[in-house]
Amino acid sequence: DQQVKQNSPSLSVQEGRISILNCDYTNSMFDYFLWYKKYPAEGPTFLISISSIKDKNEDGRFTVFLNKSAKHLSLHIVPSQPGDSAVYFCAASNAGNNRKLIWGLGTSLAVNP
Amino acid sequence: DTEVTQTPKHLVMGMTNKKSLKCEQHMGHRAMYWYKQKAKKPPELMFVYSYEKLSINESVPSRFSPECPNSSLLNLHLHALQPEDSALYLCASSQQGHSSSYEQYFGPGTRLTVT
Repeated sequence: DQQVKQNSPSLSVQEGRISILNCDYTNSMFDYFLWYKKYPAEGPTFLISISSIKDKNEDGRFTVFLNKSAKHLSLHIVPSQPGDSAVYFCAASNAGNNRKLIWGLGTSLAVNP
Repeated sequence: DTEVTQTPKHLVMGMTNKKSLKCEQHMGHRAMYWYKQKAKKPPELMFVYSYEKLSINESVPSRFSPECPNSSLLNLHLHALQPEDSALYLCASSQQGHSSSYEQYFGPGTRLTVT
């Protein structure tokens, strides 16, 4: 049972435009959400996180939005750059599961020049 | 500084070999993790150490043996592996206790090939 779902395996965006990556979850106990970026053959790089007490968190070109009632979060990248091309993983955790990260399957983003 | 280092970067070993993977962090984090990642999949948790004690073992086969010599170091000892154990092995660390942030920071990984 996939508790964290990234329903788009891939996304292609033009350089300079907005990239929107989506993530849905089923477990209402999750209280912390994270986005990671991963290049091939490298470890995931932490991008941005959001606590369930917030609905938005922004860091430079990256903004994460959380809609708790819909159990949905999204990562916005503006403006998109070719170097943003990577696989993006959404992950969630809660205190009840020892803060283990529950991962989505990832979305491969391609930013075209 | 959010750096986690791992050595070696690449490792090729036979099924009868014994080898070790090493991980180090100097962020003062008290939780450290081993993950295994196959291509195009998310990381799969193997072990968690909290304050240098093993707190989670995700039913990992005994041919993988973790060790946490101190709060900055984490080892993964490998013995009698199978070809299907070939993968990218990732180490991560995070804060513990009353921290309000739960980010895990990952190392670059060790690419392991079992022949």
